[in-house]
Amino acid sequence: AQSVTQLGSHVSVSEGALVLLRCNYSSSVPPYLFWYVQYPNQGLQLLLKYTSAATLVKGINGFEAEFKKSETSFHLTKPSAHMSDAAEYFCAVGSLNGNEKLTFGTGTRLTIIP
Amino acid sequence: GAVVSQHPSRVICKSGTSVKIECRSLDFQATTMFWYRQFPKQSLMLMATSNEGSKATYEQGVEKDKFLINHASLTLSTLTVTSAHPEDSSFYICSARKTSGDQETQYFGPGTRLLVL
Repeated sequence: AQSVTQLGSHVSVSEGALVLLRCNYSSSVPPYLFWYVQYPNQGLQLLLKYTSAATLVKGINGFEAEFKKSETSFHLTKPSAHMSDAAEYFCAVGSLNGNEKLTFGTGTRLTIIP
Repeated sequence: GAVVSQHPSRVICKSGTSVKIECRSLDFQATTMFWYRQFPKQSLMLMATSNEGSKATYEQGVEKDKFLINHASLTLSTLTVTSAHPEDSSFYICSARKTSGDQETQYFGPGTRLLVL
């Protein structure tokens, strides 16, 4: 069984400040981990993914995430927030054993303060 | 690239009618597509896994006779909401699984907003 916990349903940061969105996972098998972003009334766009290669994963739009097995975490960060980063962010877990299903967290709404 | 489209983007229908939503992978072939449902301000819930050339696999609690899925080709899956009722109003999102080497990634469509009156 797999699960994802996203701490903080709402996060607000000032423009130019560090963005940190938290994700913890639970998986009985080696996980695939993903971050997706959703803009209003749109589908999900893949930001980045971890698939057992480098633990620090760089994605689009300046985002990156670090896989920490000891902490079962995959937090998403960006050094300097931009107004265009305001959106809903979802962490998801899959598995390396061929399980096709993704389990999503409940999402974190990021607000950027001018 | 990995582009997935959905049609229509928005649909309003009367209670009791059926609505078909299309999901297409535009630049890759997808033997597996997924259908999700998202309620306002909530996460995505997997409804079913659509497999090309075979029957879809439905998640527990999802009525297969209500949500008909057809995956007739490697680039198209359809979801038909039969005899729609107001409680079926939701945002429906599909994804298509792209395999590259030994890695698999789901690419999502832009979603279809269904409103049943």
